[in-house]
Amino acid sequence: IAGITQAPTSQILAAGRRMTLRCTQDMRHNAMYWYRQDLGLGLRLIHYSNTAGTTGKGEVPDGYSVSRANTDDFPLTLASAVPSQTSVYFCASSDQGAGEQFFGPGTRLTVL
Amino acid sequence: SQKIEQNSEALNIQEGKTATLTCNYTNYSPAYLQWYRQDPGRGPVFLLLIRENEKEKRKERLKVTFDTTLKQSLFHITASQPADSATYLCALGGAGNNRKLIWGLGTSLAVNP
Repeated sequence: IAGITQAPTSQILAAGRRMTLRCTQDMRHNAMYWYRQDLGLGLRLIHYSNTAGTTGKGEVPDGYSVSRANTDDFPLTLASAVPSQTSVYFCASSDQGAGEQFFGPGTRLTVL
Repeated sequence: SQKIEQNSEALNIQEGKTATLTCNYTNYSPAYLQWYRQDPGRGPVFLLLIRENEKEKRKERLKVTFDTTLKQSLFHITASQPADSATYLCALGGAGNNRKLIWGLGTSLAVNP
């Protein structure tokens, strides 16, 4: 692995189903982030984690949960998907201070 | 509330010309500003970071300026190439241990051969 990987690449999901988007980084970065990107709204932060064992809410956290059991993994869970959660989801990581954020390739999620 | 504005209209320029993209912000005092490039269907890729005490930063054909009085950053691509066509995002970062970024919507750049 080099950088950040996300899985799945894309998914079509029925409303009400539970879904976990996976994110793994191999750069040993402390901080990780989940964004959603929607046309006209740009990148919006869902949840973040400054270090393993801690998480925080971003701009649009409702309907989503995260965990950070170790440095490398930062899964995002939709407990009961709704159509408004149709979006492209990006995971990112960064190192100390004002570090650049490295992004994964994204997951395109459609909730029907 | 904090607000970032980038050129909302797509920018079309001729190959070889200099592209200039603007990022304006209000109600915020960022410690630094970053510029990213995003290609369709891909995640953003970091280009440059400029801190509040820096006026200008260069990297190859790229130049970024940061005017904290005007609350504005300009992003220049000199000798532009069709491969520079993409969406460019600016993002503001705070001081201390807060590594969260506030993102602009991006400006689409098309460089015509």
